[in-house]
Amino acid sequence: AQSVTQLGSHVSVSEGALVLLRCNYSSSVPPYLFWYVQYPNQGLQLLLKYTTGATLVKGINGFEAEFKKSETSFHLTKPSAHMSDAAEYFCAVIYNTDKLIFGTGTRLQVFP
Amino acid sequence: GAVVSQHPSRVICKSGTSVKIECRSLDFQATTMFWYRQFPKQSLMLMATSNEGSKATYEQGVEKDKFLINHASLTLSTLTVTSAHPEDSSFYICSARPTGGYYGYTFGSGTRLTVV
Repeated sequence: AQSVTQLGSHVSVSEGALVLLRCNYSSSVPPYLFWYVQYPNQGLQLLLKYTTGATLVKGINGFEAEFKKSETSFHLTKPSAHMSDAAEYFCAVIYNTDKLIFGTGTRLQVFP
Repeated sequence: GAVVSQHPSRVICKSGTSVKIECRSLDFQATTMFWYRQFPKQSLMLMATSNEGSKATYEQGVEKDKFLINHASLTLSTLTVTSAHPEDSSFYICSARPTGGYYGYTFGSGTRLTVV
């Protein structure tokens, strides 16, 4: 079955450190890929998306992600974590329908 | 940018009653809207796809008679939880896709339903 996997349900970093959140998809046909952020008791905000074109995608709040077809990955990174980045992050994909399939989420904690 | 308004943000209801949740696209038309359910510390599970002017498409395992979806206009979809029970308590989130916009999914702020 087509799916998306987020490795690591929790990631902790120090403020100013690199953030790396992992996402892998399962398909021989590259899907459309998204990263969303969710703050407590709120909906989801789109950070960035990849559909076609440049494989390095820049999003809001200093985040970026690189689509690597050979690794079936779309990892999210940010060079320097900020306290306000603490939230739940979801990777999502669209395959051959218009339904978003979400990963299980990664909770990012940022320590001072 | 595209904005989706979801109302109410929180609701508490008694067991056996029905609750309606509204999802409105404020500055765009949305042919398709989606309803998700999220349990604490878990991911979003798609419940149904709502298409304007037609019946909703429910995911496997979702009771369509319990979760009634109506998408009567291009800017409004409603989810009614009928005969609610404590196990229906959850966080419900809608999203809308602009007509002709395949990749732009905008999410509402969610509704926390508590059934007592």
